[in-house]
Amino acid sequence: EPEVTQTPSHQVTQMGQEVILRCVPISNHLYFYWYRQILGQKVEFLVSFYNNEISEKSEIFDDQFSVERPDGSNFTLKIRSTKLEDSAMYFCASTRTMNTEAFFGQGTRLTVV
Amino acid sequence: ILNVEQSPQSLHVQEGDSTNFTCSFPSSNFYALHWYRWETAKSPEALFVMTLNGDEKKKGRISATLNTKEGYSYLYIKGSQPEDSATYLCALYATGNQFYFGTGTSLTVIP
Repeated sequence: EPEVTQTPSHQVTQMGQEVILRCVPISNHLYFYWYRQILGQKVEFLVSFYNNEISEKSEIFDDQFSVERPDGSNFTLKIRSTKLEDSAMYFCASTRTMNTEAFFGQGTRLTVV
Repeated sequence: ILNVEQSPQSLHVQEGDSTNFTCSFPSSNFYALHWYRWETAKSPEALFVMTLNGDEKKKGRISATLNTKEGYSYLYIKGSQPEDSATYLCALYATGNQFYFGTGTSLTVIP
């Protein structure tokens, strides 16, 4: 069964450092998403991506965040200068079309110290 | 931001009991309502995608209904088994190409 893969599974970084979280969506999917879940809180939307550009982003997704699809298969989330409050599980998801079921990766646990 | 509410937050049931949870959402700007099952240390797994008012979907012992006019969906589990223990998330797919997630209902089935 096709799956979304995320790497790394855990990342510990110092405050102020840059991190790149990687995702390989399902190959024939067209819509890509990043979500995060801070421990004990609701899953929060960060950004959606379609046709090589951002289609929607949340207030959380400020100038410190960026997304790229560098090579047509990977989908990356970059946090330029991490803050303590960026510590969370980050989930990548993809959908074949706009309204079909989402397939999620297993998440990257980011800990900023 | 669209507010998607789920209740109850957590639930403990005995093996064999049937149970149900609720997802409520603003009925405007609606494209689809998704249900996901999320086991600890795994990624959320899609259960149902529902788009039409009055939709009813079933997968084994799990079923769901949708009322878009009043903005709610019910998820039912018949004859709960320990392997049903998970967090059940609903998500509204709405304007802006994004999912709005509820906080989830955590189900524990006691053998």
